[in-house]
Amino acid sequence: EVQLVESGGGLIQPGGSLRLSCAASGFTVSNNYMSWVRQAPGKGLDWVSVIYSGGSTYYGDSVKGRFTISRDNSKNTLYLQMNSLRAEDTAVYYCARSPYYYDSSGFKDYYYYMDVWGKGTTVTVSS
Amino acid sequence: QSVLTQPPSVSGAPGQRVTISCTGSSSNIGAGYDVHWYQQLPGTAPKLLIYNNKNRPSGVPDRFSGSKSGTSASLAITGLQPEDEADYYCQSYDSSLSGWVFGGGTKLTVL
Repeated sequence: EVQLVESGGGLIQPGGSLRLSCAASGFTVSNNYMSWVRQAPGKGLDWVSVIYSGGSTYYGDSVKGRFTISRDNSKNTLYLQMNSLRAEDTAVYYCARSPYYYDSSGFKDYYYYMDVWGKGTTVTVSS
Repeated sequence: QSVLTQPPSVSGAPGQRVTISCTGSSSNIGAGYDVHWYQQLPGTAPKLLIYNNKNRPSGVPDRFSGSKSGTSASLAITGLQPEDEADYYCQSYDSSLSGWVFGGGTKLTVL
């Protein structure tokens, strides 16, 4: 079964650090684009970061320079290292997969939608 | 302020048809990037509802349909059912931001 399970959330003081994990099963993390998406209480979805299969990483403006996305291929796990946390980072953090496909030429390409989501892990930044 | 603009709420009676709009710009939808839609039931993770503008994943009823034109897209739901009451989000890719972008979400109320 294809599944994503996040962990690592909790209560952290402003300025602190936290590392979230997302364990994948049923597929290989490094073969896909993998993202983190967050949702503040009562708010909408906010894309945080993506790591491409080749290792390139991109971030939303609100977390650039503070958050780092990475993966451990041997553990088939995605991570989000969050530093200099602020109250506005309080949210449920979801990891999600963007699948790949092969075009008519046999070239591997990637879809920009997210077809598999975890249940999320809650991060609360408060003193 | 979200990059993609959706109405905050829509409503309809059971059996009726509703549409949810999603307006972007020349760096996302207007640049040719596909639009995708997610359904989020209360207290749950988002679920892919429509991908690549108009395609439904297996298991999604054909009451749900999507379309895209210019810098906008729409999600239509026909034959409204009580279980359709949820938040709906559109999503695309933005070349100027080099990242994924979401709409602010639309709360659907089934009267």
